[in-house]
Amino acid sequence: QVQLQESGPGLVKPSETLSLTCTVSGGSFSNYYWSWIRQPPGKGLEWIGYIFYSGSTNYNPSLRSRVTISVETSKNQFSLKLSSVTAADTAVYYCARDSRAITMVRGINYYYYYMDVWGKGTTVTVSS
Amino acid sequence: EIVLTQSPGTLSLSPGERATLSCRASQSVSSSYLAWYQQKPGQAPRLLIYGASSRATGIPDRFSGSGSGTDFTLTISRLEPEDFAVYYCQQYGSSTTFGQGTKVEIK
Repeated sequence: QVQLQESGPGLVKPSETLSLTCTVSGGSFSNYYWSWIRQPPGKGLEWIGYIFYSGSTNYNPSLRSRVTISVETSKNQFSLKLSSVTAADTAVYYCARDSRAITMVRGINYYYYYMDVWGKGTTVTVSS
Repeated sequence: EIVLTQSPGTLSLSPGERATLSCRASQSVSSSYLAWYQQKPGQAPRLLIYGASSRATGIPDRFSGSGSGTDFTLTISRLEPEDFAVYYCQQYGSSTTFGQGTKVEIK
């Protein structure tokens, strides 16, 4: 059974760079997309970005200038870097498997996108 | 960016009652790219529905999804005590966005 585990510092100073790693175990790392999502205290979910196992990325436009997601396939890990953090970046950060499924019905391919496996989340506080 | 607006913000119901949650998109969304998640306090979200109407593995059949275009619905036919939680819809376009959530609370 696939499991994801986030790791990294729980406290980051303003203007510094937040760095987190997600380790995938119990299943395949290849041929999947892997996402980062965050949730500020008492608020909803915000998608940060994803990386394909081969390294291609897509980022939330609102965070693009500050976000870098990278992958290390030999370790079944992917990482998040968020630069120039402020208090507004305080949140629970989740990593998730971002699946793409294909079903053929009457000769037509239907593609389905969804996040089906999530890590437990890690709290990051931005404070001096 | 496609904005998802969920309503109501809070739904107060009793166990055994039917819950109907709405998710409206600011522009048309492919049904294949619309998902629903359940989140309980202190837990990560859990996938309930993908492709607007397909239940994820292990999800009870009291959960159902429907809709197309800009209007989607999650229905819980008979609320069980463990169903009281926050529910989010999500869409994949050029960017991925979530709705702001609907809290289903015990009346």
